[in-house]
Amino acid sequence: DGGITQSPKYLFRKEGQNVTLSCEQNLNHDAMYWYRQDPGQGLRLIYYSQIVNDFQKGDIAEGYSVSREKKESFPLTVTSAQKNPTAFYLCASSKETMPKNIQYFGAGTRLSVL
Amino acid sequence: KNQVEQSPQSLIILEGKNCTLQCNYTVSPFSNLRWYKQDTGRGPVSLTIMTFSENTKSNGRYTATLDADTKQSSLHITASQLSDSASYICVVSSFSGGYNKLIFGAGTRLAVHP
Repeated sequence: DGGITQSPKYLFRKEGQNVTLSCEQNLNHDAMYWYRQDPGQGLRLIYYSQIVNDFQKGDIAEGYSVSREKKESFPLTVTSAQKNPTAFYLCASSKETMPKNIQYFGAGTRLSVL
Repeated sequence: KNQVEQSPQSLIILEGKNCTLQCNYTVSPFSNLRWYKQDTGRGPVSLTIMTFSENTKSNGRYTATLDADTKQSSLHITASQLSDSASYICVVSSFSGGYNKLIFGAGTRLAVHP
């Protein structure tokens, strides 16, 4: 069953806590992405990675960190520095970062602050 | 500033009726335009992708049009079904510096009632 798996589906963060969102893909895609979705707004890019052991900041990287140690995995850590973390987080992947490549999305993780 | 604007923000139609969703963009350089469908609490799924030279593209009951001169696109849904209830997101791709950046609209939320 090919695709992108995000976990957990729901996550709660306490004040001052770091939390990590998991994203795994078995599509053999080189590029992976993390987006944040807030009500009434378009998706905004947090980080992206074009290849293993390399990643780049997106438009709203402050308060977030990522790693790309394996092709299949691109976890996102929401740090305590992110003061407004409540949102729906979407992971995506594509074969490459070329214009014709479609991005495939996971089912998302909804993060809330306790 | 690169922007994608969608209208209407929300729409209610009766099952079996047709509807048209609008997308206006100011993105440069332009690579392609995509329409995604996003069910509530799920990740977006690609419906169509159109390059500069393509005026129309269909995917079943979904037909997208693109006018690159006026920078407008529309998504027409024919003979709507209850399962069409979702958010429809217009996304414009801009390729620059070796990276394909996606600019997302805020979406049109469609509700199909029996």
